[in-house]
Amino acid sequence: GAGVSQSPSNKVTEKGKDVELRCDPISGHTALYWYRQRLGQGLEFLIYFQGNSAPDKSGLPSDRFSAERTGESVSTLTIQRTQQEDSAVYLCASSLAGSGNYGYTFGSGTRLTVV
Amino acid sequence: SQQGEEDPQALSIQEGENATMNCSYKTSINNLQWYRQNSGRGLVHLILIRSNEREKHSGRLRVTLDTSKKSSSLLITASRAADTASYFCATPQGGSEKLVFGKGMKLTVNP
Repeated sequence: GAGVSQSPSNKVTEKGKDVELRCDPISGHTALYWYRQRLGQGLEFLIYFQGNSAPDKSGLPSDRFSAERTGESVSTLTIQRTQQEDSAVYLCASSLAGSGNYGYTFGSGTRLTVV
Repeated sequence: SQQGEEDPQALSIQEGENATMNCSYKTSINNLQWYRQNSGRGLVHLILIRSNEREKHSGRLRVTLDTSKKSSSLLITASRAADTASYFCATPQGGSEKLVFGKGMKLTVNP
């Protein structure tokens, strides 16, 4: 597609439920990133996929968070047993290989509210 | 870990004025990037400056990089109300490909 697509755009869930967030990167972008942004805060790195390499999961805050990516296409971020502290906007971005040399293209994010 | 840090954290100016935002970082970098965010949603990539560059222009944007001071500045000339947004600087972390973002700076341009 022309841009990075994220779904759903908004999600309200009850505490303790699992949620799955989806990201469709730009075709041909081998790198895919997930970030979290709490209200009024900066971006917090969660996980990074690059081609078929093992993902960099160093930013995942707990074992309730996991992410998958099939090849160089869609990625899903799953949060199990959601807590109110998980409420945030979850941003996905993709880039050509070597994001150090290319900018990211971000999706519009998924606003997650845990009640 | 925090790498870039924008300064000031908030800036309010009148339309037509110039806006300058600064970013300081801690470790060596091979490039520094600036992004804009409207309404708390997806960020838009504005400009990338490499470590061997000192200045770069894109339309009304001018970015400088001083690697000796580990700082960068973003200048928006002849600001417009539509420039109202949060601005972030970002740098690659260490030798990795992931970007570390600053906390952002909120710019308000009053018509």
